[in-house]
Amino acid sequence: AQSVAQPEDQVNVAEGNPLTVKCTYSVSGNPYLFWYVQYPNRGLQFLLKYITGDNLVKGSYGFEAEFNKSQTSFHLKKPSALVSDSALYFCAAGGAGSYQLTFGKGTKLSVIP
Amino acid sequence: NAGVTQTPKFQVLKTGQSMTLQCAQDMNHEYMSWYRQDPGMGLRLIHYSVGAGITDQGEVPNGYNVSRSTTEDFPLRLLSAAPSQTSVYFCASTKPQGAHGANVLTFGAGSRLTVL
Repeated sequence: AQSVAQPEDQVNVAEGNPLTVKCTYSVSGNPYLFWYVQYPNRGLQFLLKYITGDNLVKGSYGFEAEFNKSQTSFHLKKPSALVSDSALYFCAAGGAGSYQLTFGKGTKLSVIP
Repeated sequence: NAGVTQTPKFQVLKTGQSMTLQCAQDMNHEYMSWYRQDPGMGLRLIHYSVGAGITDQGEVPNGYNVSRSTTEDFPLRLLSAAPSQTSVYFCASTKPQGAHGANVLTFGAGSRLTVL
């Protein structure tokens, strides 16, 4: 069975500083990995995905994620945090062509002005 | 495009009552699904459908029924609500990308259900 772990329930970062939200996964075969963001009282929005190829994936709103196969990690990063980045972030994993994503528990990101 | 539309946004039920959460999408997506979101537990898949007339169970199907009579609609039914079903429910859909594709889900805004 596949699983996704987000080890931090909450991450606090000062505005303008770099941010990292951590994710590790366990998937049989080659993983397909995703990051979604949820703003208060809204549905989840897709940020970026990793399928294959370059280990650094760029996504929406200046976010990027680094795939590390040896550490089975897919950490979300942004060079300079904005207050508007404050939200709940979910990492998700699935197999090729699979509809059934497994989501992590979510990490609440708070960017402090 | 409206995307994925869920109704109602909020609902309060008493234990034992029944209700249906509605989900409609206008993107001609074959795949539709229902998740529930609970604090500290992330999103868990309840039921999903890969096309009209085809449904299957996810991780937490007990207490919920679904049907898929059209491509556009995928209602979720609670036949006898229980307090454990208090949650936020999300409908999501996607157009399949094939055996090697990455299926990016489009989510609705959610339906917050409280069962007293």
